[in-house]
Amino acid sequence: AQSVTQLGSHVSVSEGALVLLRCNYSSSVPPYLFWYVQYPNQGLQLLLKYTTGATLVKGINGFEAEFKKSETSFHLTKPSAHMSDAAEYFCAVSDWGAQKLVFGQGTRLTINP
Amino acid sequence: ETGVTQSPTHLIKTRGQQVTLRCSSQSGHNTVSWYQQALGQGPQFIFQYYREEENGRGNFPPRFSGLQFPNYSSELNVNALELDDSALYLCASSIIEGNTEAFFGQGTRLTVV
Repeated sequence: AQSVTQLGSHVSVSEGALVLLRCNYSSSVPPYLFWYVQYPNQGLQLLLKYTTGATLVKGINGFEAEFKKSETSFHLTKPSAHMSDAAEYFCAVSDWGAQKLVFGQGTRLTINP
Repeated sequence: ETGVTQSPTHLIKTRGQQVTLRCSSQSGHNTVSWYQQALGQGPQFIFQYYREEENGRGNFPPRFSGLQFPNYSSELNVNALELDDSALYLCASSIIEGNTEAFFGQGTRLTVV
């Protein structure tokens, strides 16, 4: 069975600082990995995804993530935080495309002025 | 805007009642998945519909059931509501062939009292 662990339920950074949200996964087959963002009272928006190929994936809003198979990790980073980045972030894994996603518990990102 | 619409946006039901939630898929998508997101948690996969048949189910009891219609829209039905069914219910549409992303609707907030 697949699973996702997001380290840190709450991360707080200053505006302009590096954002690092951690995600580790467990999968018995080559995984498809996703990061989604959720703003209050809204659905999920895809930030980026890893399917095959290049392990460094660039997404929207300046976010990127690196797939590290040896570490079973897919951490999300952004060089410089913006106030508008404050939201809940979810890492997800599947064994086939965007189907039957298994999500982590989420990390709430707070940006301090 | 993802093109996935859910109705209603909010709903209050009494324990023991039945509820039907609706989802209109994005144009061209043939697969609909439903997720339950309890407060402070990540979404959990309920089930997926493809070609009007259930195509995978998560760890949810049979009182959670669904339908997919020829136009790929979908319903989620929950019978004998329990207090723990209070959650945000998310619908996601996708194309089952290939590594495409899942597009999420805004969700239906169900409160069971």
